[in-house]
Amino acid sequence: EDQVTQSPEALRLQEGESSSLNCSYTVSGLRGLFWYRQDPGKGPEFLFTLYSAGEEKEKERLKATLTKKESFLHITAPKPEDSATYLCAVFQGAQKLVFGQGTRLTINP
Amino acid sequence: DTGVSQDPRHKITKRGQNVTFRCDPISEHNRLYWYRQTLGQGPEFLTYFQNEAQLEKSRLLSDRFSAERPKGSFSTLEIQRTEQGDSAMYLCASTLVNTGELFFGEGSRLTVL
Repeated sequence: EDQVTQSPEALRLQEGESSSLNCSYTVSGLRGLFWYRQDPGKGPEFLFTLYSAGEEKEKERLKATLTKKESFLHITAPKPEDSATYLCAVFQGAQKLVFGQGTRLTINP
Repeated sequence: DTGVSQDPRHKITKRGQNVTFRCDPISEHNRLYWYRQTLGQGPEFLTYFQNEAQLEKSRLLSDRFSAERPKGSFSTLEIQRTEQGDSAMYLCASTLVNTGELFFGEGSRLTVL
């Protein structure tokens, strides 16, 4: 069965302190790995899609990378407005997304 | 605004009552999904539609849950005889076929007392 595991569950950083979030996945035939951002009380918001090992995508202070077993979301010089829960998901059978439990990121000013 | 709209945003009900949530997707999107999310967890898949056809239902979806999408437009999710374990955020999302880039609504939060 396809599985997505994210670590750490929660991460607290100081403003400007770079770090990475991890997403490990097991899926038969990857058809896309997705990163979403979710603010409290809101629905998830799409960030990136990665399709093959070695692929990278960037948006502002975020960069997502993909290997054959995991994906990383690198956050460079974060700001307090980057505080959110970051969700990783795989596209199962080209039909639906299967999400990990998320990493709750807090950036202190 | 042409985003995904969900109603109501919050619903408090007593155990045993029925509740219904409505989702209006982005107009040109033919796929519509329902997910459930509890505190500290990622969204869990419940069911999805392609146009008006319900193509998959999760094993999580007991017979107390039913979803419809008449005419391939808006969708409703009904929960009958609610239980305290049904308390969660119910998220609706829409997209074009065969893409994992889902557009989520802001969710309907259900509290069962």
